Amino acid sequence: QVQLVESGGGVVQPGGSLRLSCAASGFIFSSYGMHWVRQAPGKGLEWVAFIRYDGSNTYYTDSVKGRFTISRDNSRNTLYLQMDSLRVGDTALYYCAKDIVVAGPPDGFDLWGQGTMVTVSS
Amino acid sequence: DIQMTQSPSSLSASVGDRVTITCRASQTISSYLNWYQQKPGKAPKLLIYTATSLQSGVPSRFRGSGSGTDFTLTISSLQPEDFATYYCQQSYTTPLTFGQGTKVEIK
Repeated sequence: QVQLVESGGGVVQPGGSLRLSCAASGFIFSSYGMHWVRQAPGKGLEWVAFIRYDGSNTYYTDSVKGRFTISRDNSRNTLYLQMDSLRVGDTALYYCAKDIVVAGPPDGFDLWGQGTMVTVSS
Repeated sequence: DIQMTQSPSSLSASVGDRVTITCRASQTISSYLNWYQQKPGKAPKLLIYTATSLQSGVPSRFRGSGSGTDFTLTISSLQPEDFATYYCQQSYTTPLTFGQGTKVEIK
């Protein structure tokens, strides 16, 4: 069925690294841009990053620029988020999400995974 | 960055009530506005895209309106399954930004 399944979350110390993965199925993954969106415990939604359908362009929110890297492997239908130099403030549930528009610029999110929790704590 | 401000932050309503949530952008965003519903412990769900278009499978009691800087989500007759938190999100430019959310609670 049409779904996104995240993995890779966990507990890490400040300054550490994690790599999140998102396995896509049920749709033509290589035709859609993909996002990471996070939600700190008890807080609202925050967009983190976007990658175009072909990986040609990436966009980030300022707070993660230079620390996080979004990438994709269209042959494996998988999205990634490499998270380096993690901070306490990065603690959140991380969702991957499919963009609404085929092969378009960043827009909205019409399919979400269940999320993977990242906790940054000493 | 474009700031999105929702009002109210929370509201109490009864089943059958008409509910209106507003979202204001800090600059014009044309119709690049999406609405989401999030229930506790669940991922958000897209309700409305480009300000007025109903996402497939979403009940017709949900309606989006507005353009420029001021937008509205209206639930014409609140149902038990509609008690949730609602977020607006602009897609005019990156960084994509969300409103702070409006929690709709049972009165």
